[in-house]
Order: sequence, then structure tokens, then C-alpha cells
Amino acid sequence: AQSVTQPDIHITVSEGASLELRCNYSYGATPYLFWYVQSPGQGLQLLLKYFSGDTLVQGIKGFEAEFKRSQSSFNLRKPSVHWSDAAEYFCAVGAGTNAGKSTFGDGTTLTVKP
Amino acid sequence: ETGVTQSPTHLIKTRGQQVTLRCSSQSGHNTVSWYQQALGQGPQFIFQYYREEENGRGNFPPRFSGLQFPNYSSELNVNALELDDSALYLCASSRDRAPNSPLHFGNGTRLTVT
Repeated sequence: AQSVTQPDIHITVSEGASLELRCNYSYGATPYLFWYVQSPGQGLQLLLKYFSGDTLVQGIKGFEAEFKRSQSSFNLRKPSVHWSDAAEYFCAVGAGTNAGKSTFGDGTTLTVKP
Repeated sequence: ETGVTQSPTHLIKTRGQQVTLRCSSQSGHNTVSWYQQALGQGPQFIFQYYREEENGRGNFPPRFSGLQFPNYSSELNVNALELDDSALYLCASSRDRAPNSPLHFGNGTRLTVT
């Protein structure tokens, strides 16, 4: 069975600083990987996804993520954080060929200091 | 284009009661997935419906059941409510089951069981 670990429960960064959120996954085959963002009282919004090919993927809102098979990681990065990026971020791995059956990590809450 | 809408937004029920949650999928989407998100945790996959048929189920007991209608809207029913069923219930629709079909989430239904 697949699993996802997000080691950092809470991260605080200053506005304008760079950001990296960690994600480690366990899955027996080539994974389908996703990052979502959830603002308070809202549903989840897809930031980016990796299925195959280039291991560095670009997403919305200036986010990118790098797939590293050797480390079973899919870390999310942003060069310069904005106050509006404060939210909860979830990494997920898709079951086989179906994104709808994803397994999610427990999330990382991002706080942005002015 | 209308997004995913869920109703009601909040609900309070008593242990042992039954509840029905509703989801209208995004226009053009034929697949609906339901997730349970307990406080401080990531979403957990309950089940998925594709063209009115259940297409996979997570580790939830049979008292969690669902339906999908010809217009692809969906219901989640929970019988014999338990205190641990208190959570945010998220519905996500996608254009089809393919892994490159992004999930579009609604804002969820917050269920409190007392």
C-alpha cells in the first residue's frame, strides 16, 4: 500500500524568502505525485503533478517540485514566498492510474511572517 | 463553468443518526471521489464513482455508502453515526478516471457528531 510522509507539521518563513516543503512517499511502482494547497475553510486546489518525464515540474502560483526516485521524495519549492501563500499544503500519491484514489500526507502548515 | 458545490456546508448530528451529504460535480466531469478529512490530518479516500458505478473504495466500513446520479452529481450516506465520524467531508470531481485528469475539490461539508 502506498503512503506519504510530510515530516514538517508547521513551517514559518519570512515574506520574500525561499520555501521548501518536504514530501516522502512509499509506492511499489512509478508514482503519480501531486501537491495541493488548502486555505482555511476551502477545498483543496491542485498546485502541480508529476506523472513521468522531466523530474522538475512547474505548477501554478510560481511553485515547482522535483521528483527524486532515489530518495523517494517530491519536495515543493518556491523562490520567493508571498503573504498569500500562507495555507496548508498536502502531498499525495495516486493509486495506480487513478488520481481520484490518492493517498495524502497529513499536511504542512505554512505561516508567512511580514 | 460552475465548480464543485457541496451541501450543506455545516451539519450537526447525534450519535446513531444517519446523514446524507451532496455534491454537484463540475460541468463535463463524470467521476466523483469522496474524502474524509479529520482535524489535523490529510484527506482519506472513502470511495469513487465513475459513470454511476462505484470504482474503488478505501478503508471505510459499509455504513459509508454512496450514489452517483445520471447527471454525475453524487451523495455520501453515513449510517449509525459515531463520534469519530466528525470531520470535513470533501468531494472532488474529474473529467474522467485518468491520472492526468486533475481533481477539482468542493469546499466540503463540516460534520459534527455529538
